[in-house]
Amino acid sequence: DVKVTQSSRYLVKRTGEKVFLECVQDMDHENMFWYRQDPGLGLRLIYFSYDVKMKEKGDIPEGYSVSREKKERFSLILESASTNQTSMYLCASSPQVPSYEQYFGPGTRLTVT
Amino acid sequence: GEDVEQSLFLSVREGDSSVINCTYTDSSSTYLYWYKQEPGAGLQLLTYIFSNMDMKQDQRLTVLLNKKDKHLSLRIADTQTGDSAIYFCAVRNDKLIFGTGTRLQVFP
Repeated sequence: DVKVTQSSRYLVKRTGEKVFLECVQDMDHENMFWYRQDPGLGLRLIYFSYDVKMKEKGDIPEGYSVSREKKERFSLILESASTNQTSMYLCASSPQVPSYEQYFGPGTRLTVT
Repeated sequence: GEDVEQSLFLSVREGDSSVINCTYTDSSSTYLYWYKQEPGAGLQLLTYIFSNMDMKQDQRLTVLLNKKDKHLSLRIADTQTGDSAIYFCAVRNDKLIFGTGTRLQVFP
């Protein structure tokens, strides 16, 4: 079974803090993704990566950055956390082929106070 | 860009069939997916359908695709309380676009 793990299930941070969310997958997938999930808005793509050291902006990259130094690990960084970044963050990975289905981690619920 | 829409809520009685609907705008979508999210968990892929198919059945799940109307549905037969969750449809062209999710509530 594909396994995608995220470093924390729940996180509480203060406004202005730098926050790191870590994601690790064990299936040698090329693609990795970070989404945020908010009620009534579904999943919105923040950043994704097709390869090591490669990153692409998604639909809502403002206020976030990412790092992919190893194939299995994809980190999401909030440079200076703000209250509007309180959300559920979901990491996913997928193979390049054939059907591109994404496998998700359990999510990290981040609260910024 | 692609827009994927779902109704927000669906409530059904245990044992009845559930039908969750999804509409999308981009006719060039190649793969269409259904994901399930249980409380406090990530998304779990339930099934997917290629755009050249009309229907796919997998045990209690039936996916119907109407390409002309850009309409995708997920039917769950004999719905159980364990089916209570949020269901997301997603469509892929150059990237994966998710709908807003439908919260399915199953009552006894």
